[in-house]
Amino acid sequence: DIQLTQSPSFLSASVGDRVMITCRASQGISSDLAWYQQKPGKAPKLLIYAASTLQSGVSSRFSGRGSGTEFTLTISGLQPEDFATYYCQQLNTYLWTFGQGTKVEIK
Amino acid sequence: QAQLVESGGGVVQPGKSLRLSCAASGFTFSRFGMHWVRQAPGKGLEWVANIWYDGSNKYYADSFKGRITVSRDNSKNTLFLQMNSLRAEDTAVYFCAREGTDTDDAFDIWGQGTLVTVAS
Repeated sequence: DIQLTQSPSFLSASVGDRVMITCRASQGISSDLAWYQQKPGKAPKLLIYAASTLQSGVSSRFSGRGSGTEFTLTISGLQPEDFATYYCQQLNTYLWTFGQGTKVEIK
Repeated sequence: QAQLVESGGGVVQPGKSLRLSCAASGFTFSRFGMHWVRQAPGKGLEWVANIWYDGSNKYYADSFKGRITVSRDNSKNTLFLQMNSLRAEDTAVYFCAREGTDTDDAFDIWGQGTLVTVAS
């Protein structure tokens, strides 16, 4: 199975900060990667697919880059509503896997 | 507007079975692959199972093989997850999710989740 490792697992930041989360795959997955945001008690929300394509309706503060084994999610100008947990997910094989998550909290 | 609503969760004893349902509305259910994803309390997301749009293929996470079965009834716009021989570690919120056709197969619609608690 393809393993995804996110870093950091926890991130403390202030409103207005630029933050970056990294997701590394145990083997190459081309651009078959998505990013989700999840708030407590809620379902995940799709932010980015195909590594860098912004889902319809999602703020342009969010951007994704990468291919192969290394990917990043960047939030430019962190807003109060962005404090949440973020997950990457690989869609390269028929055994879909998620990263362990990165919790973004208010400093 | 596309919507998924799970049901069937609850408290169940270890070793027992449970069937979860996911009712779809607002889109043509029979055109989309569907997934189950679970989340244990305080933990991350774990992919569970997939079924193709027409039910012709199914995939399961290795940790569940032999204990779960995913199915669908396209005439009733409903997805199912049959879980057998439940264990305490199966306690989790179970989400159903739609595999988007315009999102490179990423999961674009999620239900609110249904809580399964395995305890004696």
